[in-house]
This record gives sequence, structure tokens and C-alpha cells, in this order.
Amino acid sequence: GAGVSQSPSNKVTEKGKDVELRCDPISGHTALYWYRQRLGQGLEFLIYFQGNSAPDKSGLPSDRFSAERTGESVSTLTIQRTQQEDSAVYLCASSSGQGGHTEAFFGQGTRLTVV
Amino acid sequence: AQSVTQPDIHITVSEGASLELRCNYSYGATPYLFWYVQSPGQGLQLLLKYFSGDTLVQGIKGFEAEFKRSQSSFNLRKPSVHWSDAAEYFCAVGPPYGNKLVFGAGTILRVKS
Repeated sequence: GAGVSQSPSNKVTEKGKDVELRCDPISGHTALYWYRQRLGQGLEFLIYFQGNSAPDKSGLPSDRFSAERTGESVSTLTIQRTQQEDSAVYLCASSSGQGGHTEAFFGQGTRLTVV
Repeated sequence: AQSVTQPDIHITVSEGASLELRCNYSYGATPYLFWYVQSPGQGLQLLLKYFSGDTLVQGIKGFEAEFKRSQSSFNLRKPSVHWSDAAEYFCAVGPPYGNKLVFGAGTILRVKS
């Protein structure tokens, strides 16, 4: 597609339920990132995929969070047993390479509200 | 540890006035530096980036930023602000390899007519 696509755009879930967020990167982009943006705060790195390399999961806040990516295509971020502190906007980005100079293109995010 | 500080949470300027948004970083090596803008309902858009060379970099929408190593700063400037510039601005720092960007908390810019 023309840009990074995320779905759903909004998700309201009950505490304790599992949620799955989807990211479609720009076609051909080998790198994919997930960030979390809490209200009034900057973006917090969660996980980074680069090609077929093992993902960098160092930003995942707990074992309730996991993410998968098949090849260089869609990625899903799963949050199990959601808590109210998980409420945030989850942003996905993709880029064409692994060099720091390559621009990351962001999707519009999924706004998750846990009630 | 890597960190980015944007001291101003909110800034209000009059349309046509000049703008400077502050960004200070802490990084163990020469970082890659970025400014992103997030307009309401929009994804983050890259305004400009610095990797090396000329410390004054030009970006889109008339923005520029200056890298000052001695001050660990990368302030964003615009000579004349337009109402459409109202948005949230994020400074970010990243390593030369990999793209695990560290973002500041953002500065919300309000433009008054």
C-alpha cells in the first residue's frame, strides 16, 4: 500500500481480555517497529523486526505482550489479559533498511482503551 | 542511557512569529537526530534529520534545526509560523545501526491568530 496501515483504528476492551493489533507495513520495507504512546508522553519502543533476524524485544513491558511478523509482511501485536495501564495509542512504523539513516514511516496508530 | 528531553510541554506563538522548540539529548556516541510532527488524527511525519556534515539542516514545511554538539542540543526553528503548524512535535535520537528511536515527550504547539 501507499503507507503503513494499522487496524483497528480504535479498540475498546474489557480488563482481562486479550487484544490483537495489526500492522501492514509499506511493501518492500524490511524493518518494522512497534511503539506505544501513552497520553502526554513520548513514544516508547516496544519491539523491532528486521528481515529474518531475531526480533529485538527489549522494549516489551511484560510477558503479556508479544508480537509476530511473517517474513516482511504483516505484523500483529498481541496483549493478553489487558490492564488499564495498557491504554495507549500503539504505533507501527516501517523502513526500508536497518541503517539508522533510513526514515521510519509511521501508521496512524491504534487507540486502545481498557475499561 | 539514551534520553531525549523536550523542556517545553506547551508553546503558544502568534501566527507569523518565529518559533524555536528545544531538544536536548543524552547519547554515548554521535547520534542520529530527528524531528517528527504529529498533527491531530495524523500519523507521525518526519520533518528533518541529522546524521553528519552541516550542522544546520533544512526540512519540510520551512523548518530547520541546528545540531550543537557542545550543548547536546538539536533545536527546531521556523522563521514564520502558520496556523497549520499547530501540532505536537517530537524530537528523537537513534543509533547509526538499527532503528530503535528514543523519543522525547513532545511539545504541543498552539498558534494564535
